[in-house]
Amino acid sequence: NAGVMQNPRHLVRRRGQEARLRCSPMKGHSHVYWYRQLPEEGLKFMVYLQKENIIDESGMPKERFSAEFPKEGPSILRIQQVVRGDSAAYFCASSPGTSEYEQFFGPGTRLTVL
Amino acid sequence: GQSLEQPSEVTAVEGAIVQINCTYQTSGFYGLSWYQQHDGGAPTFLSYNALDGLEETGRFSSFLSRSDSYGYLLLQELQMKDSASYFCAVSPNTGGFKTIFGAGTRLFVKA
Repeated sequence: NAGVMQNPRHLVRRRGQEARLRCSPMKGHSHVYWYRQLPEEGLKFMVYLQKENIIDESGMPKERFSAEFPKEGPSILRIQQVVRGDSAAYFCASSPGTSEYEQFFGPGTRLTVL
Repeated sequence: GQSLEQPSEVTAVEGAIVQINCTYQTSGFYGLSWYQQHDGGAPTFLSYNALDGLEETGRFSSFLSRSDSYGYLLLQELQMKDSASYFCAVSPNTGGFKTIFGAGTRLFVKA
C-alpha cells in the first residue's frame, strides 16, 4: 500500500512564476491537509480538504494561494506570483476520516523561489 | 489564541530516558498528538492521548493532563536513531478542522 505521494520533491521558481504542488493521499484516504514548514520551525496548517470540497482554509493566505482536491486525481496546492517568502517545505498529509487523529505525511515539496 | 510550547533542544545520552514537555493554551481540543521528524524527512505519527493519563507504545510513552494544560513524550532506552525533532500537536474542537503544531524540540542523542 503506497504511502502519501508528493511531487515534485524539489521545485525552483523565479519570482512572479506559478508553483503547482501535487499530493496523492494514501489509498482509501479521502481527507487531505496541507502544511507549510520553514527551517527550524513547526508545521503551519494551511488547508483541509475532502474530495471536491474545501473544509477549512483558515490557514491559507488570502491572496495568491489556492487548493483543490478534485474527484479524480491528486490534490493541488497552487501558489501564484511566487515571492521569496514562499520558499519553504510544503507537506501534505492524509487521513481516512475526520475522526482519525493520525495523519500520514508525504515526503514534502521543497520550494525555492529565486 | 491557541499555542503550544516546547523546549527548543534537549540532549541526552544513548540508553538514557528523556522527557519532552508540551504546554498548551487552547480553549478545547480533541487530543494531543506527537510526531517525529528526522532532518529532511516527513513527520511520522508517534502517539495520541485523547484522555488524561499515560499511553505506552514500545519505547515511547505519552502523557496528558488537561487540568494542567500539559503533556509530555517519554523516550526510553534512547538510541542514536532517535535524534530528530519532536512535535506536539492538537486539533481544537472550537470549530474548524485545523491541527496546530508546536515549534518542535530537537533531540540530540550522544554516544
